Amino acid sequence: RKEVEQDPGPFNVPEGATVAFNCTYSNSASQSFFWYRQDCRKEPKLLMSVYSSGNEDGRFTAQLNRASQYISLLIRDSKLSDSATYLCVVNRDGTALIFGKGTTLSVSS
Amino acid sequence: DTAVSQTPKYLVTQMGNDKSIKCEQNLGHDTMYWYKQDSKKFLKIMFSYNNKELIINETVPNRFSPKSPDKAHLNLHINSLELGDSAVYFCASSGGQGGNQPQHFGDGTRLSIL
Repeated sequence: RKEVEQDPGPFNVPEGATVAFNCTYSNSASQSFFWYRQDCRKEPKLLMSVYSSGNEDGRFTAQLNRASQYISLLIRDSKLSDSATYLCVVNRDGTALIFGKGTTLSVSS
Repeated sequence: DTAVSQTPKYLVTQMGNDKSIKCEQNLGHDTMYWYKQDSKKFLKIMFSYNNKELIINETVPNRFSPKSPDKAHLNLHINSLELGDSAVYFCASSGGQGGNQPQHFGDGTRLSIL
């Protein structure tokens, strides 16, 4: 089983849609979780951390289910500018962050 | 001000050559990293240094040799470049010993081997 697995994508949605990305991780000892965003030919940038109780940042909501080792990201009211690759990121033994392969989102008008 | 800067941004060279990529961070972070992102876009960690000490060496060929002269700098030297080394190499830094803190990335070095 891969350390971090994500929905294969791509997701093609119209503006205003709600879209959800899922991610599973294999290491039950992982303690830190993040979602990053990567635009084409750019560096990954932190979108948000994921907390045990779930957290929201504007149109973005992250959820964590430790029992199922599952993380999700919900984007409401999608904008054209949300088009990017979304990377699920999990720490490994407190020494490194492991990145999923990413899910590509394309929002169209 | 750029937080994590790496040079050069583009590197085109021939197979068999030796090249270096430099990285500097002005965030005061203790931990720095090198990642490789290949044509399939998979971002894979190569090395991690904490306060100039090697923490992670992720089964990288020994043609790749990182050097950290101080905690603000982590350079990557590559000997005898091969076609499979073509990729984007990202430098990153984080607070603490790494793994529990989000990482800040440089804008990448696009290495093409002819």
